[in-house]
Amino acid sequence: QKEVEQNSGPLSVPEGAIASLNCTYSDRGSQSFFWYRQYSGKSPELIMFIYSNGDKEDGRFTAQLNKASQYVSLLIRDSQPSDSATYLCAVKSGGYNKLIFGAGTRLAVHP
Amino acid sequence: NAGVTQTPKFQVLKTGQSMTLQCAQDMNHNSMYWYRQDPGMGLRLIYYSASEGTTDKGEVPNGYNVSRLNKREFSLRLESAAPSQTSVYFCASSEPVDRGDTQYFGPGTRLTVL
Repeated sequence: QKEVEQNSGPLSVPEGAIASLNCTYSDRGSQSFFWYRQYSGKSPELIMFIYSNGDKEDGRFTAQLNKASQYVSLLIRDSQPSDSATYLCAVKSGGYNKLIFGAGTRLAVHP
Repeated sequence: NAGVTQTPKFQVLKTGQSMTLQCAQDMNHNSMYWYRQDPGMGLRLIYYSASEGTTDKGEVPNGYNVSRLNKREFSLRLESAAPSQTSVYFCASSEPVDRGDTQYFGPGTRLTVL
């Protein structure tokens, strides 16, 4: 059974701080990794995807991938109250043409 | 460009009733998906269609059927609704060569089965 694990939270950070969200996965053949943000009552929207080891930056967001440790993370710099949402990690395995989603981590950014 | 649209937005059914959830995308994507989302369980794949004319079971297909009507439309049918099917249903679409096969989601259908 392919699994994607996330801490459910809530992760509470003060405004302006760095929020660090983590995700581990079980399938070593996984090739692509996605972070989605989901506001309460809304649909998931893509923040970033990454498929190579290392860091990928997009504005205030940085995704980090370590395939040897089967670990992917999302850093949010200068966190804002508008970043308060649930963050879903999703993994696409090699030879398995579908995404496996984690249950999500709820982030709360307080002023 | 509407992206992925779903109808209806809300639905209440009685046990044993049937209904069809509709999904359409205007991004010319080949792949389409149906998920359900329950509290604390993330998104679980019900059925998917890799291309027009093909459908395959996902993780939780029991109690559901799908139809890929054409490249744009992918419907999900509940033949005899059960309270366990109370959930939020999301449709998504993707194109393998687009942004690592990123999936784009519709707004969801909130279904309650009494």
